[in-house]
Amino acid sequence: ETGVTQTPRHLVMGMTNKKSLKCEQHLGHNAMYWYKQSAKKPLELMFVYNFKEQTENNSVPSRFSPECPNSSHLFLHLHTLQPEDSALYLCASSQHEFGTSYWEQFFGPGTRLTVL
Amino acid sequence: AQSVAQPEDQVNVAEGNPLTVKCTYSVSGNPYLFWYVQYPNRGLQFLLKYITGDNLVKGSYGFEAEFNKSQTSFHLKKPSALVSDSALYFCAVRDPPGGGATNKLIFGTGTLLAVQP
Repeated sequence: ETGVTQTPRHLVMGMTNKKSLKCEQHLGHNAMYWYKQSAKKPLELMFVYNFKEQTENNSVPSRFSPECPNSSHLFLHLHTLQPEDSALYLCASSQHEFGTSYWEQFFGPGTRLTVL
Repeated sequence: AQSVAQPEDQVNVAEGNPLTVKCTYSVSGNPYLFWYVQYPNRGLQFLLKYITGDNLVKGSYGFEAEFNKSQTSFHLKKPSALVSDSALYFCAVRDPPGGGATNKLIFGTGTLLAVQP
C-alpha cells in the first residue's frame, strides 16, 4: 500500500450503532487530519493531529471521537450519529515542521458514510 | 480569518479549448495557495501550490495557476482541455508558517469542470 489508505470505503450504520473509521499513511508524515465532505458545502476540517497530539478540534460534536495511537494511524470513532452526519469522510496527512514548513496535504480516498 | 471563494459551481469547456477555474482569496499577510482535484469516488489530489516567487506556477497534468496579488486571485488554467480533466477542483489557502500559524487548510466550495468531447 502506498500513500494514504482508508477503511472501510463504504459504511452504512444505524443511529444507535458504534463504528470506527481507519486511516493509515505510508508517507512518513507527522500530521494527520479528518475532514467531512458534504454535498454543496466546503470541505470541513474536523480534527488535526501533529506528532500524535490533537491540535485542532473544529467544534465537532462529541459523537465523533478521534484517536491517533501513532503518527501513521488515525481513527474516527462514531456513536449515536444523526442522518445529517452522512457524508464522505476524508483523511489526510502532511509533514509539519513548526515555523518553517507548508507541505501539501495528501488525501485518502475517503469513507462514504450513510446514517439511517 | 482566511477564506477562499470559487465563484463558479460549474465550468463547461470543449475539448481542446483553454480552461480557467477561478479562485479568489482573503488572508492577512502573504498567502500560501493550493489547488486540488477530486475525481469521482476518489480523495483529493494535489495539483500545485504558490508559496513565493514567480506568479505563474506550473503543476501536474499540464495545469498552471497565476497568482495575482492586486486582484487577490489564484486562477487555475490549462491551455488545452481534455475530457479526462473533468472533475471537481478545489482551491485552498493556509497561513504562512510562523507567528502561531497552523497547518490548517481552508478550502473553497469546489468547481465542477465538465469537458465536452
